[in-house]
Amino acid sequence: DSGVTQTPKHLITATGQRVTLRCSPRSGDLSVYWYQQSLDQGLQFLIHYYNGEERAKGNILERFSAQQFPDLHSELNLSSLELGDSALYFCASTPLWGTEAFFGQGTRLTVV
Amino acid sequence: GIQVEQSPPDLILQEGANSTLRCNFSDSVNNLQWFHQNPWGQLINLFYIPSGTKQNGRLSATTVATERYSLLYISSSQTTDSGVYFCAVVNYGQNFVFGPGTRLSVLP
Repeated sequence: DSGVTQTPKHLITATGQRVTLRCSPRSGDLSVYWYQQSLDQGLQFLIHYYNGEERAKGNILERFSAQQFPDLHSELNLSSLELGDSALYFCASTPLWGTEAFFGQGTRLTVV
Repeated sequence: GIQVEQSPPDLILQEGANSTLRCNFSDSVNNLQWFHQNPWGQLINLFYIPSGTKQNGRLSATTVATERYSLLYISSSQTTDSGVYFCAVVNYGQNFVFGPGTRLSVLP
């Protein structure tokens, strides 16, 4: 158990819908990263939050947004979903920027 | 940005064999990690190794930061070692960049 909790584990939804993925970092970790892994692909960086502030954006679509709340949990919002958004979405947490990262179990999103 | 390469892309072994996986990176890093993604999709931390050598059971890793590469050694492989092995690096002030992975299949 990495200590990073992601919910839900699985999500099936229709095209055009909106979903919210949730991540609770390890206790005391201030940094949260979101990654997307499409089928048989590598991990693509989406966005990074540190102590509630957005610190970096990767190739995140405009239809996607995220935030980190005062209790340090983070949510990734995906809207106007397309078939191509089907993927594993991971979050990771670190105590400080760039230190050892621990990943959650991921949310497997299927858009039908 | 920093580029990360891994080799070989695919590896098939018989149970009990040894293997070496390589990760090359294009710039100085302040963090390097190895992960194992099992067939269920979970990413499992193997090593946090920005430099030096570490061992954990049948696995060991070495990072030579000055030459910009890291090696992951798997000895006496087991079927449960199957999956994809990723290295990920952090360049100072940047975010984790993952390599494309090495897909390992260990046959009984």
